[in-house]
Amino acid sequence: EAQVTQNPRYLITVTGKKLTVTCSQNMNHEYMSWYRQDPGLGLRQIYYSMNVEVTDKGDVPEGYKVSRKEKRNFPLILESPSPNQTSLYFCASSHSSWTGDLYEQYFGPGTRLTVT
Amino acid sequence: AQSVTQLGSHVSVSEGALVLLRCNYSSSVPPYLFWYVQYPNQGLQLLLKYTSAATLVKGINGFEAEFKKSETSFHLTKPSAHMSDAAEYFCAVSDVKTSYDKVIFGPGTSLSVIP
Repeated sequence: EAQVTQNPRYLITVTGKKLTVTCSQNMNHEYMSWYRQDPGLGLRQIYYSMNVEVTDKGDVPEGYKVSRKEKRNFPLILESPSPNQTSLYFCASSHSSWTGDLYEQYFGPGTRLTVT
Repeated sequence: AQSVTQLGSHVSVSEGALVLLRCNYSSSVPPYLFWYVQYPNQGLQLLLKYTSAATLVKGINGFEAEFKKSETSFHLTKPSAHMSDAAEYFCAVSDVKTSYDKVIFGPGTSLSVIP
């Protein structure tokens, strides 16, 4: 089954304790992206990756890191989480040609993070 | 920078009534446009997308949207609402001025369907 998986689905942590949210897709997609969803703000892009070893900042990258060492995986790292990073996080993937077409994005089920 | 507005954070319709969810974008250059739906406790899934082909785009579950360049709009409609349509709906646009890679989402519209 084609899917994007995220782990963990729920996480409660304390300020400053490093954490990683994993994201994996089995569709051989080039493009992967992380979003956070907050009430009234919709989805805001944190980071995205066009392919292995190619990443770029989205709209709200502060406080986050990513890496893309393998095509299928795109982990999101919070080195020192703070309460304002409490949010619902989504990973997404899609095919993407180098000419710029962005195809349908497939979303993971979400990770609800609470930072106290 | 590109932006997306969705008029009405909450919309309620009766079962069987017309669904109209509004979306406006800011770019003067026709972008790629998308509508996504999010059911409770799930990720987003694509309803339909506009990529400069036909201006009337048909999607899944009976939804369709019409691209109107003169109004910079991409409103989502469904002739007859079903209880299962209750969800959050997001309009999204690709930011063609800076990068095709970047997709910007609107704030979302929560649709309630009244029996």
